[in-house]
Amino acid sequence: DIQMTQSPSSVSASVGDRVTITCRASQVINSWLAWYQQKPGKAPKLLIYAASSLQSGVPSRFGGSGSGTDFTLTISSLQPEDFATYYCQQANSFPWTFGQGTTVEIK
Amino acid sequence: QVQLQESGPGLVKPSETLSLTCAVSGGSLSNYYWTWIRQPPGKGLEWIGYIYYSGNTNYNPSLKSRVTISVDTSRNLFSLNLSSVTPADTAVYFCARVPMLRGAFSSFDFWGQGALVTVSS
Repeated sequence: DIQMTQSPSSVSASVGDRVTITCRASQVINSWLAWYQQKPGKAPKLLIYAASSLQSGVPSRFGGSGSGTDFTLTISSLQPEDFATYYCQQANSFPWTFGQGTTVEIK
Repeated sequence: QVQLQESGPGLVKPSETLSLTCAVSGGSLSNYYWTWIRQPPGKGLEWIGYIYYSGNTNYNPSLKSRVTISVDTSRNLFSLNLSSVTPADTAVYFCARVPMLRGAFSSFDFWGQGALVTVSS
């Protein structure tokens, strides 16, 4: 199985901050990486697919980059509604796997 | 807008079979892959398996011996059966749609709200 490792596991930030989350795959996954946002008691919400494509309706402050094994999710200016847990997920090889999650907390 | 809704028993006894249904509204099952994902309380996400509207399936090897996913296109729903459950199978179970991009799988774009299933005697 492809292991997905996110860092950091948690980050404390303030409204307006720029936040960067990284995701590393144990094998090359080309650009088949997605990012999700999950709030407590809710289903994950797709933010980014194919490493850098913004899902329809997602604010442009969210951006994704990377290919191969190293990927980044950037929130350019953190908003109050962005405090949540973020997961990466690879769709290159079966079984599809997720990172362990990164929690963005209020500083 | 596609909507998905999970339903099924919230409590299952050990060694029995967990059964959930995902009803899809606002769109057809046709030409899409549909999947199940679970999340134990306080933990991360685990992909269980998918089904194509035609019935083709693919399962996570870690669960393959116990999982069956089926589809009913006449009722626009698909289902999950997980046999011989233990307390380790306690989780929120999500159903989701899998869009294709340039002929490849890319992500899960629409999700159900999730159904908590507890395995306990």
